[in-house]
Amino acid sequence: NAGVMQNPRHLVRRRGQEARLRCSPMKGHSHVYWYRQLPEEGLKFMVYLQKENIIDESGMPKERFSAEFPKEGPSILRIQQVVRGDSAAYFCASSPSTSSPEQYFGPGTRLTVT
Amino acid sequence: SQQGEEDPQALSIQEGENATMNCSYKTSINNLQWYRQNSGRGLVHLILIRSNEREKHSGRLRVTLDTSKKSSSLLITASRAADTASYFCATDGSNYQLIWGAGTKLIIKP
Repeated sequence: NAGVMQNPRHLVRRRGQEARLRCSPMKGHSHVYWYRQLPEEGLKFMVYLQKENIIDESGMPKERFSAEFPKEGPSILRIQQVVRGDSAAYFCASSPSTSSPEQYFGPGTRLTVT
Repeated sequence: SQQGEEDPQALSIQEGENATMNCSYKTSINNLQWYRQNSGRGLVHLILIRSNEREKHSGRLRVTLDTSKKSSSLLITASRAADTASYFCATDGSNYQLIWGAGTKLIIKP
């Protein structure tokens, strides 16, 4: 059973470009969470999705950031017009249901904005 | 906003010694989890303790929870070099998101 997969592992973008981060949850998991981690800090919640639905996006900036989890395919975190402050590690986690509080994390995508 | 706060921020001990890390949180919880993160890698779930539990063991790990003090501790016994990592506590927020502390960086010296 493959774990949570994220790609790319490293992404370099110039200011103003778009960044697309992909997350494939564990097989059988229908809940996906995105977190951002700045260097030497803990993770900060961004968004919680179930298939085709955004359940909670309270941690996501209102502008430039969007997320989706379509019926088919991976979850996508999209950052438009990236700025240097977007440089961080972005982690995706999945869980099988809301009754299972443990989350299983992917290896992360390290975004560097130059 | 940050819920958990771990202390110490960094801990360096000799291999074979025990390592204790603490976590404090602010609001009431249903459960508290500890995760490990090796440098530059993803997070690995270590142990979950529910609010009605006081202590839990898993191998060389022992977790305690004191809901009256809103604090938890993680004890790693007989530490090994491979335990070198950052350790985070996370509490459950609304909508099942996890709220994280800043972590304790543990270094095990051989």
